[in-house]
Amino acid sequence: GQNIDQPTEMTATEGAIVQINCTYQTSGFNGLFWYQQHAGEAPTFLSYNVLDGLEEKGRFSSFLSRSKGYSYLLLKELQMKDSASYLCAVSAHRGSTLGRLYFGRGTQLTVWP
Amino acid sequence: GAVVSQHPSRVICKSGTSVKIECRSLDFQATTMFWYRQFPKQSLMLMATSNEGSKATYEQGVEKDKFLINHASLTLSTLTVTSAHPEDSSFYICGGGANEQFFGPGTRLTVL
Repeated sequence: GQNIDQPTEMTATEGAIVQINCTYQTSGFNGLFWYQQHAGEAPTFLSYNVLDGLEEKGRFSSFLSRSKGYSYLLLKELQMKDSASYLCAVSAHRGSTLGRLYFGRGTQLTVWP
Repeated sequence: GAVVSQHPSRVICKSGTSVKIECRSLDFQATTMFWYRQFPKQSLMLMATSNEGSKATYEQGVEKDKFLINHASLTLSTLTVTSAHPEDSSFYICGGGANEQFFGPGTRLTVL
């Protein structure tokens, strides 16, 4: 199976920076995704890393180290609307099936004014 | 990003009835779609992989005769929950795409 670990909860204040870590153990690694999910809604794609390094996209950045099995999502200039669950998901090959995602339990981020 | 639609968004049914959920890829052709289930405060759990023109692949512990999947075209996959029971009440989400997976808006199923 796949082991994906991320903190259950985090809190931060508006305007601050928060880093959500994710560690994983997997075989057939094919990339790592971060999704944002608001309560009662489907996940929304944030980022995809397949090579080591930092991917920056506006206020959100995602980092990957394949050798360490580690990723983080960095959120800058936090806004109240960023309060949500952030899901780390690993894509792994399984036989001939490509693109299958294994999800972590999600990190519930609460942004305070 | 790619657009995936899902219908219905919400359904309430009586125990013992069957419910069909449709998942459509609106701007890409999906040879593979994934069906997930999410219980409250839990993460997404893959139920099955839907393959266009062939049988679906089910995850361990998911009953294929209870959760019927049909993927008859490159833009439509359906999940039918047969003889639904209250424990089947959950949030069902389909996903598809190439390397980047996009999700439908989800279907909230409540079985009374």
